[in-house]
Amino acid sequence: AQSVTQPDIHITVSEGASLELRCNYSYGATPYLFWYVQSPGQGLQLLLKYFSGDTLVQGIKGFEAEFKRSQSSFNLRKPSVHWSDAAEYFCAVGAQNYGQNFVFGPGTRLSVLP
Amino acid sequence: EAQVTQNPRYLITVTGKKLTVTCSQNMNHEYMSWYRQDPGLGLRQIYYSMNVEVTDKGDVPEGYKVSRKEKRNFPLILESPSPNQTSLYFCASSSTRDRAALGNYGYTFGSGTRLTVV
Repeated sequence: AQSVTQPDIHITVSEGASLELRCNYSYGATPYLFWYVQSPGQGLQLLLKYFSGDTLVQGIKGFEAEFKRSQSSFNLRKPSVHWSDAAEYFCAVGAQNYGQNFVFGPGTRLSVLP
Repeated sequence: EAQVTQNPRYLITVTGKKLTVTCSQNMNHEYMSWYRQDPGLGLRQIYYSMNVEVTDKGDVPEGYKVSRKEKRNFPLILESPSPNQTSLYFCASSSTRDRAALGNYGYTFGSGTRLTVV
């Protein structure tokens, strides 16, 4: 079974600073990897996803993530954070079978200082 | 607009009083799922459904029931709610037909239902 860890429960950055949110996964085969964002009081929105190919994937809102198989990681990055990026971010891994059972990490809450 | 609609958004109920949270999607998705979200635990899958009349347990199914009589609807039923079921619930759907193309693989989430059981 797959599992996901997000080591940082809460991160605070200043507006304009760079951001990296960490995600480590455990899965026996090549995983499907996702990052979702949840703004306060909202549902989850897909930021980006990795299936295969180029290990650096671009997403919406200026986010990108890099898949590193050797480190079992899929860290999310943004070069310059905006105040509107304050939200909770979830990493998820999906198995490559028909069940499509996504396993989510516990989430990282991002606060942005003006 | 393609969406997953959950109702109600907020619900306060008493222990033992049966309730149903509805979920409907208009994207003709085969796969639907229910998650609960609790602080520090992320999202945990309750039940999922691969298609009409096909449902299976997720990671935390105890105390919940589901049904999938129609493709678009996937209600979550709490026969006898207890305070430990106080949580934020999300319904999600996904297409399996596009899985090979990978283009649409991924969930569309509803806006959530915040349930409080007192």
